[in-house]
Amino acid sequence: DGGITQSPKYLFRKEGQNVTLSCEQNLNHDAMYWYRQDPGQGLRLIYYSQIVNDFQKGDIAEGYSVSREKKESFPLTVTSAQKNPTAFYLCASSISSGRVNEQFFGPGTRLTVL
Amino acid sequence: GQQVMQIPQYQHVQEGEDFTTYCNSSTTLSNIQWYKQRPGGHPVFLIQLVKSGEVKKQKRLTFQFGEAKKNSSLHITATQTTDVGTYFCAGANAGGTSYGKLTFGQGTILTVHP
Repeated sequence: DGGITQSPKYLFRKEGQNVTLSCEQNLNHDAMYWYRQDPGQGLRLIYYSQIVNDFQKGDIAEGYSVSREKKESFPLTVTSAQKNPTAFYLCASSISSGRVNEQFFGPGTRLTVL
Repeated sequence: GQQVMQIPQYQHVQEGEDFTTYCNSSTTLSNIQWYKQRPGGHPVFLIQLVKSGEVKKQKRLTFQFGEAKKNSSLHITATQTTDVGTYFCAGANAGGTSYGKLTFGQGTILTVHP
């Protein structure tokens, strides 16, 4: 089956620890995205990548970092510098970065920082 | 930066009633997409509108894109309990080089009472 996988589904961490969220896609999509979703708010873009070895900051990149070493993988690290990291994190991908296409979302990771 | 406002934030309807959610952008959009997120799930793409004044239908759902390409609406006729979820609009900014980048509205949470 083609799709996007995120792991784990639930993640608990102590305050001050860095944590890395996994996102893998086998759709052969060029572009990948990380969003954060908080109750009552829409999806806010953290980082996006249009091609391997390149990525851009989204609207709320502070306290986060990413890498794009492989086309199918786009891990997100939530650093201790992120002041309010507890949230639902969604990864998405789209077929081409050259035009606007529909985005396919993974099931999400719910991060709770204690 | 670009802002996309969506109203209402919540809508409660009786099964069989109609439902509409509205989306307004602070800037002209190249296109607009609509997504549905079921409770506990992830956003799923519904449709994309590209042309000024465009209207598209999917069974009981009607999507419109404003003439100025700054607003959009989603109308559901005769709601069913399966329509429950959060509906998001997402706009791509006209011009610029941020291909593929979407700005999401806050979403409208639809509850349907049987």
